[in-house]
Amino acid sequence: AQSVTQPDIHITVSEGASLELRCNYSYGATPYLFWYVQSPGQGLQLLLKYFSGDTLVQGIKGFEAEFKRSQSSFNLRKPSVHWSDAAEYFCAMFNAGNNRKLIWGLGTSLAVNP
Amino acid sequence: NAGVTQTPKFQVLKTGQSMTLQCAQDMNHEYMSWYRQDPGMGLRLIHYSVGAGITDQGEVPNGYNVSRSTTEDFPLRLLSAAPSQTSVYFCASSYSGLASLRTQYFGPGTRLLVL
Repeated sequence: AQSVTQPDIHITVSEGASLELRCNYSYGATPYLFWYVQSPGQGLQLLLKYFSGDTLVQGIKGFEAEFKRSQSSFNLRKPSVHWSDAAEYFCAMFNAGNNRKLIWGLGTSLAVNP
Repeated sequence: NAGVTQTPKFQVLKTGQSMTLQCAQDMNHEYMSWYRQDPGMGLRLIHYSVGAGITDQGEVPNGYNVSRSTTEDFPLRLLSAAPSQTSVYFCASSYSGLASLRTQYFGPGTRLLVL
C-alpha cells in the first residue's frame, strides 16, 4: 500500500542549529513529493516539491529537500533554523496512478529554543 | 487575488444541527478538496472535486455532503452535526492534470466545535 511516514512526531532544536525532518514513502514507482508547512493557527503552505530531475530541490524560506530513491526518502533540511520556523511540517505524495488524492504523513511538530 | 477563502472562521454547533462551510477560490482551479485535521491524525480527505459537477468521496466522507455547481465554490455540508465532527476543516484547490501543476493552495481553515 502507498504510504508516507514521518518518523518524528516532535522535534526541538536551538535557534541557529541545523535541521533535518525525515520523510519516507512507500510506492513502487517514482512518486511526486511535497513538503508543506503549517504555522500555528494557519493553513498549509507549500515549501517545495519534487517531480523529476535534480534530486536536491530548493524551496522557500531557505529549506531544501533531497530525494533518495534507494532509501525511499525525501528529507527536509535547513542549515540554520530561525525562531519563526516553529511550525508543523507535513510530507505528502501522489503518484501518476492516482493523482487525484494526496497521501499525507502525520506531520512533525518543530519547536525552536531561543 | 484572494486565493482560497473559507467562512466562517469559527463555529459552535449543537448536536443535530446542520450547517454549511463555505469555500471559494479565484484561481480557476479545477481541483478542490476538503480535509479535516485532528490531533495525531494529520490531514484526512473528506471529499474532493475534479471540476464543476463532479465530486467524489475521500477517506472520511460519512456525515458530510458536497456539491460543485461552479468552478469557484465548493461548500461542505454537515447534515446532522455530531461531537466527533469537532475539528479544523481546510479547503484546498489546485490545477488538475500535469503533476507539475498540482501544488495545493489551502484556505485558512474553519474551527468547528460540536457540543
